[in-house]
Amino acid sequence: AQKVTQAQTEISVVEKEDVTLDCVYETRDTTYYLFWYKQPPSGELVFLIRRNSFDEQNEISGRYSWNFQKSTSSFNFTITASQVVDSAVYFCALSLGETSGSRLTFGEGTQLTVNP
Amino acid sequence: ETGVTQTPRHLVMGMTNKKSLKCEQHLGHNAMYWYKQSAKKPLELMFVYSLEERVENNSVPSRFSPECPNSSHLFLHLHTLQPEDSALYLCASSHLDGRVDQSTDTQYFGPGTRLTVL
Repeated sequence: AQKVTQAQTEISVVEKEDVTLDCVYETRDTTYYLFWYKQPPSGELVFLIRRNSFDEQNEISGRYSWNFQKSTSSFNFTITASQVVDSAVYFCALSLGETSGSRLTFGEGTQLTVNP
Repeated sequence: ETGVTQTPRHLVMGMTNKKSLKCEQHLGHNAMYWYKQSAKKPLELMFVYSLEERVENNSVPSRFSPECPNSSHLFLHLHTLQPEDSALYLCASSHLDGRVDQSTDTQYFGPGTRLTVL
């Protein structure tokens, strides 16, 4: 069975601080996909990134960066120079490579609050 | 047109009511999903439709009945719900290209329906 753990339930930072959201996953499969989603107060889950298990390259997109390390089964997310608009719940998720539709296993989410 | 839309956005119903949630995707996808998000719980996958065929039903009570008439529309019919069914119901869609190693199967979510059962 798959499992995703986001140990940080809530994080509070001041604007312009850097913040890292942790994600640790468990799976016995060798082919899998990792995701991060953002859920602002409006409720919609916004897709941020998808990585497959064969690509350990870190990725940067603007102020967002992701650190994928298979050795520690982690896929951490860093926001640089945080802004108030970054306040949201962030979910890490895992799916296996299936042809009949992915079954996302979500972590419990990390509530990030960025204060002015 | 927004990628995945859901209506209504908010719904309050009594335990004896029958109502339906609607989801529509404008992304040309061929798989659709229902999730339940309760307070203090991880998102739970309820149903998966692939090419309009139900391929997963995660032990969901029969008072929830999904329907997928075509690849763009997904419904969740509700009847005789319980107060513990109050939650945010999220719909998602993805594109399955049948090639696992190069699948573009990223799920895109709608804004959800906030359901309150009295």
